[in-house]
Amino acid sequence: EAAVTQSPRSKVAVTGGKVTLSCHQTNNHDYMYWYRQDTGHGLRLIHYSYVADSTEKGDIPDGYKASRPSQENFSLILELASLSQTAVYFCASSWDNYEQYFGPGTRLTVL
Amino acid sequence: GDSVTQTEGPVTLSEGTSLTVNCSYETKQYPTLFWYVQYPGEGPQLLFKVPKANEKGSSRGFEATYNKEATSFHLQKASVQESDSAVYYCALSERPSSSFSKLVFGQGTSLSVVP
Repeated sequence: EAAVTQSPRSKVAVTGGKVTLSCHQTNNHDYMYWYRQDTGHGLRLIHYSYVADSTEKGDIPDGYKASRPSQENFSLILELASLSQTAVYFCASSWDNYEQYFGPGTRLTVL
Repeated sequence: GDSVTQTEGPVTLSEGTSLTVNCSYETKQYPTLFWYVQYPGEGPQLLFKVPKANEKGSSRGFEATYNKEATSFHLQKASVQESDSAVYYCALSERPSSSFSKLVFGQGTSLSVVP
């Protein structure tokens, strides 16, 4: 079955440290997305990509980088993690950039 | 930019009662509207989508009508079950460029159904 997987599922990081969140999809989709979820804010788009080796900024890209080395893989990188980046992060994929398929999420806690 | 506003949660209902989750949106475009559902420990999944005004979408007993005049897309279910306990997200498609369309989500409404 087609799927979007994320790793790790949870992570505790220290302030100022580097964090990499990984996403892998077997949907053969061109579009991939990174969102963060915060209570009261819903899902907000951080970065997206529609082709390998290219990424675009979403609505809240500050403090985040993204990497798309292949169609299947999309990473979110926090070079200098901060307390305000504590959240749940979701990866999603889409073939038509309308209906999106989400992964199970990564719970990140920055201390 | 576009925005979506939903019923404030959390909402607690008894099994067998009816549900309405209000969703209002603001846009200058003609979006597709979506309802996503997120069960505990999982990512959001599409409940249904409606691409055209005045049409209705439905799935698993839930339904919503795309009301362009009122800019609303309220989610309804006649009789909720404990298994419907989840967070519900209303969303619309926004097209910031000719080659890309993105989803704009509401803040989510948490529903708990008690026996």
